[in-house]
Amino acid sequence: GAGVSQSPRYKVAKRGQDVALRCDPISGHVSLFWYQQALGQGPEFLTYFQNEAQLDKSGLPSDRFFAERPEGSVSTLKIQRTQQEDSAVYLCASSLARQAPRYEQFFGPGTRLTVL
Amino acid sequence: GQQVMQIPQYQHVQEGEDFTTYCNSSTTLSNIQWYKQRPGGHPVFLIQLVKSGEVKKQKRLTFQFGEAKKNSSLHITATQTTDVGTYFCAAMDTGRRALTFGSGTRLQVQP
Repeated sequence: GAGVSQSPRYKVAKRGQDVALRCDPISGHVSLFWYQQALGQGPEFLTYFQNEAQLDKSGLPSDRFFAERPEGSVSTLKIQRTQQEDSAVYLCASSLARQAPRYEQFFGPGTRLTVL
Repeated sequence: GQQVMQIPQYQHVQEGEDFTTYCNSSTTLSNIQWYKQRPGGHPVFLIQLVKSGEVKKQKRLTFQFGEAKKNSSLHITATQTTDVGTYFCAAMDTGRRALTFGSGTRLQVQP
């Protein structure tokens, strides 16, 4: 079946522009995660949804970052007034299980954001 | 917040040699997962360890979770060129679903 898809795959923005990144999780997956991955680093957690509820947004770096999942499927990560330090790959992951023991996450291909 | 240290940062081996990467946390973990990311790709789930002292094998890969549930290792026996990539451990705190990733170990295999 289809995996997690993300769009666009590449985005170039001028500093100060707003961007919106889309994630389509695997059908039926309850949990959805956003991560930010800088070059040569491991992914860093941004936020987590269970269905439409945003249960953890402790990783969002500033109030310029906003995520939503209004119908419990597709999610959008929005970054307002982009800064150069926002340049990174933004990864979306989804997971089927609500509870132990299976918590594996399925990652999408990512959106590479470059802010000039 | 929680930190997960992973060593080494980089390892270059000859094909057929063994490889090990280590992951350490300052706090007791609910579970630990391992992911592989090929160059230009995205992380792909390998395994999840939940129990203290757990050992799991997948063909040439052996995964261990420490007795105190604060450390883990991944060992690859007789590396192949297909093993090239970055291996990440990812820790899950009790009561949270977010994963804290280590910085990764990049493996290069010389044929």
